[in-house]
This record gives sequence, C-alpha cells and structure tokens, in this order.
Amino acid sequence: GENVEQHPSTLSVQEGDSAVIKCTYSDSASNYFPWYKQELGKRPQLIIDIRSNVGEKKDQRIAVTLNKTAKHFSLHITETQPEDSAVYFCAASKGSGNTGKLIFGQGTTLQVKP
Amino acid sequence: NAGVTQTPKFRVLKTGQSMTLLCAQDMNHEYMYWYRQDPGMGLRLIHYSVGEGTTAKGEVPDGYNVSRLKKQNFLLGLESAAPSQTSVYFCASTKRTSGIAKNIQYFGAGTRLSVL
Repeated sequence: GENVEQHPSTLSVQEGDSAVIKCTYSDSASNYFPWYKQELGKRPQLIIDIRSNVGEKKDQRIAVTLNKTAKHFSLHITETQPEDSAVYFCAASKGSGNTGKLIFGQGTTLQVKP
Repeated sequence: NAGVTQTPKFRVLKTGQSMTLLCAQDMNHEYMYWYRQDPGMGLRLIHYSVGEGTTAKGEVPDGYNVSRLKKQNFLLGLESAAPSQTSVYFCASTKRTSGIAKNIQYFGAGTRLSVL
C-alpha cells in the first residue's frame, strides 16, 4: 500500500526565515497531495494542496512543489511568523474517485522563534 | 452549518470497558473516516466508509468496529478497551468527486480517550 515519509520531524527557525518540509510517497498512482496544519489542541486543517498535473502552487507565503518522477513533494513557508508554529502533515491520495483515502506522513513540528 | 461534530470530547475508560464515538457531518458528504493520532505517528486510518451501509478497514483496524447506518453519521466502537487504544481520535469527511479532483477532508475537533 501507499507509504508517505515526512522529514524533518521537528524544525526550529527564527521569525522571518524560511521553512521547508519534505515528503516522499511510494505509490505512483497517487495524484493529489494536500498539506494540513494542526495547531496545538486543534483539528487538522487544509492549508494548500497540489494535483499531479501541476508542478508548483503558491498561496501568499506558502508554496508546494511536486516532483512526480522522484515521487516527492515539499512545503515551503517564507517569512515565517510565530503563528506558523504548529504541526504540519503531508498526505497523498489516489483521488476522490477512488475512496478519497489520504495517507498521512508522520508530521513535522515547526517552531518559529520570535 | 456545524461541519463535522464529534462526541464526546473527552473520555476515560477502564481496561475492558466499551464505548462508542459518534461522528456527525452536515455537509452531505459521501465519504467518512476515523483516524487515531499518536505522538510521532501522524494520523493513521482506522476504518472508513464510502457510503451508507458500507465500511472498510484502514491501516489499524484491530480492536475497533464501525457502522454507517445513516449518511450523516459514522460510529466508531471499542468493544473491550485496552491501554494501547489511548489516543486522540479524529473523524473526517469528504465529498465524492471524479477524476483528479480534490478530496479535501474536513475534520472534527477530536476525542481524547484514555484507557486505564
């Protein structure tokens, strides 16, 4: 079955610096790759996603890149702020037309120091 | 529009006790999921359902049962709770679409379960 590996498990940056989180997936049939942010004690919420027919997507300070050949995708956060501190999860899916299942990475705890 | 609602929010059980976690969604979503979240292990899929009356096993189904008698509700049962089932449980739902379509999952607020 699908396996998603996420690195690093923890990341600490200074406010204003950039943060990069990387994920690799095993199933070449995966075609949808969302990123979820989970603040302490809260539910995971989608922050950005990318489909397999797109190589890069940007939304203000966050961007996601996808390399289908290498089967990896990354989350980039620029100009980090203290409110970016949270746990970030990547996930991979074969699409809603299947079962809609998401396979999640292990999570990255991002700490942004003021 | 409440989205995805989970009850209860917290529960403490003794080993061997049983309980049912309820997930309700008001978005008319076809697909629903139960996950457990443990430190350093991400979100692991327990069971899921692609429609009323249909359920399937996920990555970690042992010790759990589920039922989807109504489209809007998805129940997770623990027949004989064990300390290894101490975790935070999340329910999620998504709409069925086609092709390379987004299947954004919307999560409930979670249930924190401790088994002593």
